[in-house]
Amino acid sequence: DTGVSQDPRHKITKRGQNVTFRCDPISEHNRLYWYRQTLGQGPEFLTYFQNEAQLEKSRLLSDRFSAERPKGSFSTLEIQRTEQGDSAMYLCASSGGSGSNTGELFFGEGSRLTVL
Amino acid sequence: AQSVAQPEDQVNVAEGNPLTVKCTYSVSGNPYLFWYVQYPNRGLQFLLKYITGDNLVKGSYGFEAEFNKSQTSFHLKKPSALVSDSALYFCAVTRSARQLTFGSGTQLTVLP
Repeated sequence: DTGVSQDPRHKITKRGQNVTFRCDPISEHNRLYWYRQTLGQGPEFLTYFQNEAQLEKSRLLSDRFSAERPKGSFSTLEIQRTEQGDSAMYLCASSGGSGSNTGELFFGEGSRLTVL
Repeated sequence: AQSVAQPEDQVNVAEGNPLTVKCTYSVSGNPYLFWYVQYPNRGLQFLLKYITGDNLVKGSYGFEAEFNKSQTSFHLKKPSALVSDSALYFCAVTRSARQLTFGSGTQLTVLP
């Protein structure tokens, strides 16, 4: 399978713990995105990387959230001191190749976080 | 700021009938508009997009959408619905292609 892969698929944690999610984009894609989706809502943008550079961050992304893409390939999203309100599906998407960015994204299946 | 409204949480249609899933948007300047579909336990999948040009765009699985600038709408349509089209559909808008803003989704159920 050469699509976007995310790990773990499910994570249950206690409030106050740190969690980290990993995303492996489609190999030739240089753009990587993180979104968050809660039940009954559409995905909300969190952050965007072009290669290793984090070019945009949503105001939704509090100081407890940090994302990295150190070598321009896989990315990690860490949430520190988790809160119950962080419970959501965290979606990774990628796009890229040559040419302009027209916004067509390829999504992974998501990492579901439950904070108890 | 950019926003999307999907006024219907649920759309039911009989198999073989035409379907429409509604979307209106708000964005300054020229929009990029998208439809994505989410099947149970599957990731979001791109269906179609409008960037510029012909107001009627065709996408995957026989879907099409019509861009109407005066009504700021981008409704998704299909002439003949299939049971397998049953899924959650999301409309999205962007100016920059870096940040998509999604609607809250419309659950489409096609009844056999």
